[in-house]
Amino acid sequence: DAGVIQSPRHEVTEMGQEVTLRCKPISGHDYLFWYRQTMMRGLELLIYFNNNVPIDDSGMPEDRFSAKMPNASFSTLKIQPSEPRDSAVYFCASSTRDAPPGDIQYFGAGTRLSVL
Amino acid sequence: GQSLEQPSEVTAVEGAIVQINCTYQTSGFYGLSWYQQHDGGAPTFLSYNGLDGLEETGRFSSFLSRSDSYGYLLLQELQMKDSASYFCAVRVYNFNKFYFGSGTKLNVKP
Repeated sequence: DAGVIQSPRHEVTEMGQEVTLRCKPISGHDYLFWYRQTMMRGLELLIYFNNNVPIDDSGMPEDRFSAKMPNASFSTLKIQPSEPRDSAVYFCASSTRDAPPGDIQYFGAGTRLSVL
Repeated sequence: GQSLEQPSEVTAVEGAIVQINCTYQTSGFYGLSWYQQHDGGAPTFLSYNGLDGLEETGRFSSFLSRSDSYGYLLLQELQMKDSASYFCAVRVYNFNKFYFGSGTKLNVKP
């Protein structure tokens, strides 16, 4: 398997623009997670899905952030409008409870977002 | 709430042994995991403890004591390539949610 695939790898945009980050999880994995990582706040869980259904979005900073998972092989994280404080590395990860030990998360390479 | 505490930074020399601690305050959880992240890279899974005790995987070992709310990652025969950040993480019973510690930056010096 190719692993978790994220696109784009780098995104530079101007404040106020819409940003869409994409993620393809590992085939067969039923959990998908979106994280944000910054020096100040570390690795923060934004939202996660189980079987394409959002389970917990309490980490989403505000209404400017939204995430969807229309099918088992694709998810998006959208920021509209973007602000400079959204600059961070965004990771997508997937996992499955079926494969032992069941607690391994496989991370994509991340999207480095810079909002100017 | 959930919290996992780790030292922010540790320095050791090549060939030595280093222990990175993780103390936690969390409700019921399935197990304690450890991840490695090199600068500019993504976190990658290293080790998992579902039960109390020691798990060994090559040069890396991990330990969990639920009664002490404590775990650690032990790295032996340190190599320069081990310079990275290390995170402990738990998956809690409530909604199967993952929580990560703040990470420990390991600097390996020659």
